[in-house]
Amino acid sequence: DQQVKQNSPSLSVQEGRISILNCDYTNSMFDYFLWYKKYPAEGPTFLISISSIKDKNEDGRFTVFLNKSAKHLSLHIVPSQPGDSAVYFCAASANQAGTALIFGKGTTLSVSS
Amino acid sequence: DSGVTQTPKHLITATGQRVTLRCSPRSGDLSVYWYQQSLDQGLQFLIQYYNGEERAKGNILERFSAQQFPDLHSELNLSSLELGDSALYFCASSPVLGTVYGYTFGSGTRLTVV
Repeated sequence: DQQVKQNSPSLSVQEGRISILNCDYTNSMFDYFLWYKKYPAEGPTFLISISSIKDKNEDGRFTVFLNKSAKHLSLHIVPSQPGDSAVYFCAASANQAGTALIFGKGTTLSVSS
Repeated sequence: DSGVTQTPKHLITATGQRVTLRCSPRSGDLSVYWYQQSLDQGLQFLIQYYNGEERAKGNILERFSAQQFPDLHSELNLSSLELGDSALYFCASSPVLGTVYGYTFGSGTRLTVV
């Protein structure tokens, strides 16, 4: 049973527009959420995180929104740039319980110029 | 360079064989995690170590085992290999047990079983 789901395998966006990547989770014990970006032939790199006590966290062009009641989070990239083209993984953990990160299957973002 | 070193980068072996993947965590990190990424799958958590002790197991097969040594490097042993074991294997490290600081990933070992 997948605890972290990214239902869109791919997303195509034009340069300068907003990219919205979605993630749903099923485990109500999850209290910490992260987004990772992965380029081909490289390991995933940390992008942004959010604790369950918040509903929004911003870092430059990247904003993560958390809706706990819906068990849903999203990553907004504004404005999107061609260099943002990568696979984006959503991850969650029950941090207080010290569990490891559980990842979704990823969404491949393609930003065209 | 993330600071997490994985060797080898590529490995091709035959079914039924045994291989060992090695990971050196980022300097100062005590926790090591192993993940498997198969085709069309996300990163599947295999096992976690903290300061030499096993802390959590995920979807790790009985044919697989791991350990973390006193110098904090870790090895993942895969035995009786099957075609379906072909995947990217990532090691990640973090300074603490929790996820507040995120994990730093290595660039992975691509295992091909033929």
